[in-house]
This record gives sequence, structure tokens and C-alpha cells, in this order.
Amino acid sequence: DAKTTQPNSMESNEEEPVHLPCNHSTISGTDYIHWYRQLPSQGPEYVIHGLTSNVNNRMASLAIAEDRKSSTLILHRATLRDAAVYYCILIKSNFGNEKLTFGTGTRLTIIP
Amino acid sequence: NAGVTQTPKFQVLKTGQSMTLQCAQDMNHEYMSWYRQDPGMGLRLIHYSVGAGITDQGEVPNGYNVSRSTTEDFPLRLLSAAPSQTSVYFCASSYSNRGHEKLFFGSGTQLSVL
Repeated sequence: DAKTTQPNSMESNEEEPVHLPCNHSTISGTDYIHWYRQLPSQGPEYVIHGLTSNVNNRMASLAIAEDRKSSTLILHRATLRDAAVYYCILIKSNFGNEKLTFGTGTRLTIIP
Repeated sequence: NAGVTQTPKFQVLKTGQSMTLQCAQDMNHEYMSWYRQDPGMGLRLIHYSVGAGITDQGEVPNGYNVSRSTTEDFPLRLLSAAPSQTSVYFCASSYSNRGHEKLFFGSGTQLSVL
């Protein structure tokens, strides 16, 4: 299974943009790049996903490198409510019997 | 729309006891899965199902059983609880096992085995 690598922790000031990196050098052509976040004492929640092109939604933007070996989750204006653990995972286009594995993610701290 | 509902939220067991963690979704999702989350370990897949009547093992299946008799429900059974099973358990579902689908998670069950 393709693996992802994320920094253990990051800090950002409130109301500033945040760029969360993820490396996935063994990504295959059929792997989707998903991001989830987990607020304290809650289950993970979906943030965004993409395949090849950059993606935007109301929560964030996803920038995918041209070779797809890395991606960056962008929070345009961080708030205190964005403090969470962010997970980057790869999901195959048809994951059938494939196992979905979450790593330890990046713990994002927002400084008021 | 309730989404993914897990019960109970908290549970304390004695070693050797058995119990069932319930998971239900009302979104007609085919794919359902169970994860456990231990401090510093991220989420680890226990069992998953790609449809009613179909289940398979994940990364850490020992000590757990699952069944999927309906699309909506995916219970996780602890056969003989051990302290090593103290963890937070999350159920997740997805419309299908296709990579473009979102995963929806329940709010978790915190289990302590004494």
C-alpha cells in the first residue's frame, strides 16, 4: 500500500494561511489523495480530496504536485477552530479489498 | 440525516467479558469499516465490509469479529476483552469502495478494559 509522510506538528498564527505538506512518493496513477481532520474528542471529518488537479471547496484548497508525489492542504485563513490533527491518505480508485491506513497525521496548533 | 451513529459512547469492561459495539449509518453506504485509535498510533483498520454479507480483515483483526447482515449495520464484537483492547473505536462508512468517495466517521466509542 502506498504510504504518506507528514510532519508531526505545525504551528500557525490565527487569521494567516496554513500550508500542510504531505509526501506520497510511491503513489500510483489510480490513487486519490484525501485529507481528513480530527478535532479533539471527535471522529475524523472529511476535508478535501483530489486526483490530479488542484481542488477548492469551502473548507480548504488542495494543491497537487505535477508528478503527484506530494500535495499541500491549504487553509486560507486559519481560525482557532482549525486546530486539529490533519491526515493525508491515499485511496485507490477501486479499493475493493485494499486496506485504508491512517498514519499519525500533523497536529496543527493555531496561535491566537 | 443522522450519518454514522455509534453506541455506546463510553464502556468499561472487565477482562474476559464480551460486548458488541454498534455502528449504524442511514446513508445507504456500501462500504463500512472499524478503526481503533491508540495514543501516538494514528487510526488502525480492524475489519471492513464492502457490502452486506461481505467482510474482511484489516490491519489488527485479532480479538474482534464483525458481521454485515444489513447495509445499515456493522457491529464489532469483542469476544473476550483484554486490557490491550483499551482504545477509542471509530466506525466509518462510504457510499462505495471507490477512491473518489468521502469517508464519514462516527463520534467514537471509548472503551476501557480493566
